Amino acid sequence: DAGVIQSPRHEVTEMGQEVTLRCKPISGHDYLFWYRQTMMRGLELLIYFNNNVPIDDSGMPEDRFSAKMPNASFSTLKIQPSEPRDSAVYFCASRTGTKNTEAFFGQGTRLTVV
Amino acid sequence: AQSVTQLDSQVPVFEEAPVELRCNYSSSVSVYLFWYVQYPNQGLQLLLKYLSGSTLVKSINGFEAEFNKSQTSFHLRKPSVHISDTAEYFCAVTRIDSNYQLIWGAGTKLIIKP
Repeated sequence: DAGVIQSPRHEVTEMGQEVTLRCKPISGHDYLFWYRQTMMRGLELLIYFNNNVPIDDSGMPEDRFSAKMPNASFSTLKIQPSEPRDSAVYFCASRTGTKNTEAFFGQGTRLTVV
Repeated sequence: AQSVTQLDSQVPVFEEAPVELRCNYSSSVSVYLFWYVQYPNQGLQLLLKYLSGSTLVKSINGFEAEFNKSQTSFHLRKPSVHISDTAEYFCAVTRIDSNYQLIWGAGTKLIIKP
């Protein structure tokens, strides 16, 4: 398996624009997580899905953020409209439903909002 | 609720010196414990994990961690570090009973001085 695949790797956009980040989890994994990493706040869980259903979105900072998982092999994180403070590295991770297994992370998307 | 504390945000050490990265956790239920490593501009990847059994767990690249239930600690050690160990190290826990969410420490940057 190629691992968790995120695209794009880098995104530079202007304030006010819509941004869509994409993630393909590892095949067979039941859980998918979206994280945001910044110098100031460290690693933050934004939302996670179980079998394509959002379970906990309490980490989503504002209504400008939304995430979907239309099927088991694809998820998106959308920011509309984007703001400079959204600049961060966004990671997607997936894991199986077995409790003692680790999460596998993608390479991340570095978002810069100017 | 669970929490993870990594007291040291940065640990500078000379190459070939030993290192210990500290991790303490708080939980009312039993947990699984993980150490993840993040190399520059990369995603996080699992370094080692404690599930049950022997309290000393080892990674393939010379790191080891010991689970100490009485002190609620899971410190990471390496007897001799190499420049390639330069990375950020994250400690994480997850409940063994039902919650699949990883609770993360703030991370410790290991800085290797030549």
